[in-house]
Amino acid sequence: AQKVTQAQTEISVVEKEDVTLDCVYETRDTTYYLFWYKQPPSGELVFLIRRNSFDEQNEISGRYSWNFQKSTSSFNFTITASQVVDSAVYFCALSEDGRDNYGQNFVFGPGTRLSVLP
Amino acid sequence: DAGVIQSPRHEVTEMGQEVTLRCKPISGHDYLFWYRQTMMRGLELLIYFNNNVPIDDSGMPEDRFSAKMPNASFSTLKIQPSEPRDSAVYFCASSFLPGGQYFGPGTRLTVT
Repeated sequence: AQKVTQAQTEISVVEKEDVTLDCVYETRDTTYYLFWYKQPPSGELVFLIRRNSFDEQNEISGRYSWNFQKSTSSFNFTITASQVVDSAVYFCALSEDGRDNYGQNFVFGPGTRLSVLP
Repeated sequence: DAGVIQSPRHEVTEMGQEVTLRCKPISGHDYLFWYRQTMMRGLELLIYFNNNVPIDDSGMPEDRFSAKMPNASFSTLKIQPSEPRDSAVYFCASSFLPGGQYFGPGTRLTVT
């Protein structure tokens, strides 16, 4: 069965520091999808990224970047020059190949609570 | 666009009652997702639809839960009968591949 591990339960950094959130996954499928979501204190869920298993290119979006390494089954998320508004719980998720291009059998990690202090 | 709309925002009901949660996805999105979040179980995907057809309902906890999408602009998640352990925040999201998922504000359900 698939599994997602986010070993860091809580992280605190000071504003402007870089921070990396770890995500390690387990799956037997060769086709799968990886996701990151953000949940700020207000409670809403914000989708950040979806990546399929055939695309190992790292991605950068502003201060956010993602490092996908199949060799270590990791999909880590880095925030550069963190800001107080980045304070949130971040979830990594995995879904396995299904009969469409989205995948199924979603599994979420337990989340990492990031606190960025001013 | 108004974004994903969920109603009600809060629901308090007694054990054994039927509960219906509603979702209006973003127009033009062909995927719709129902999630549940609790302290004990974390974040779970319950079911998702593509073009109104359920694709994966493996996350639906038991037969008391059912979801429908009668048309592209409306979906319901029904719990009958409800139990206290169903208390959670239920999120609806929609997407249009390859774009991202857009979430509604959630419905906080309390079953007493």
